[in-house]
Amino acid sequence: EVQLQQSGAELVKPGASVKLSCKTSGYTFSNYYMSWLKQMPGQNIEWIGNIYGGNGGTGYNQKFKGKATLTVDKSSSTAYMDLSSLTSEDSAVYFCARRGLTTRVFDYWGQGVMVTVSS
Amino acid sequence: DIQMTQSPASLSASLGETVTIECLASEDIYSNLAWYQQKPGKSPQLLIYDASSLQDGVPSRFSGSESGTQYSLEINSLQSEDAVTYFCQQHHDYPLTFGSGTKLEIK
Repeated sequence: EVQLQQSGAELVKPGASVKLSCKTSGYTFSNYYMSWLKQMPGQNIEWIGNIYGGNGGTGYNQKFKGKATLTVDKSSSTAYMDLSSLTSEDSAVYFCARRGLTTRVFDYWGQGVMVTVSS
Repeated sequence: DIQMTQSPASLSASLGETVTIECLASEDIYSNLAWYQQKPGKSPQLLIYDASSLQDGVPSRFSGSESGTQYSLEINSLQSEDAVTYFCQQHHDYPLTFGSGTKLEIK
């Protein structure tokens, strides 16, 4: 069974950084892309970027370049996202989601993690 | 970026009815359109991809179609568990973009 388990909720101060994790199981991590997505309360979903589990190659939404950095640890089948210089606009739920092999759709999702930026 | 205009924002229907949700792409996305269902407090779940291909395990009362740059999700024989939020997503080009969502309610 494919599973994506994300780390717990975060409360961080403005200007700080946070690192989110997404531990996977049930499939060959290095054969798939992992994407990260942002959803503000009651709002649209935004694609942040994706990273290939095989070689760590990345692609980002221009809007999130400089804000998000994606990495992977193949040994533990875990994907990470660093968010830097946090502001209130970064308060949202962040999802990791596996991208399909042949299409750019998201067939498995993590449960999501709430990041709250507040002093 | 490709803009996805989703309508309506909210929809109310009775059990057993058929409802349709639409997404209009700002340019040709060549049938590269997916639909997701999101229950409150949960992550989205893939229903349909490539405009009309049903994801494994999704009930056949869900179907997708297209006409030019207009894409539709149809839900037949509406059931109580269908009263959640639906999003479209274009998977033709980066950055991948989503519609703004449709909240479906039961009358």
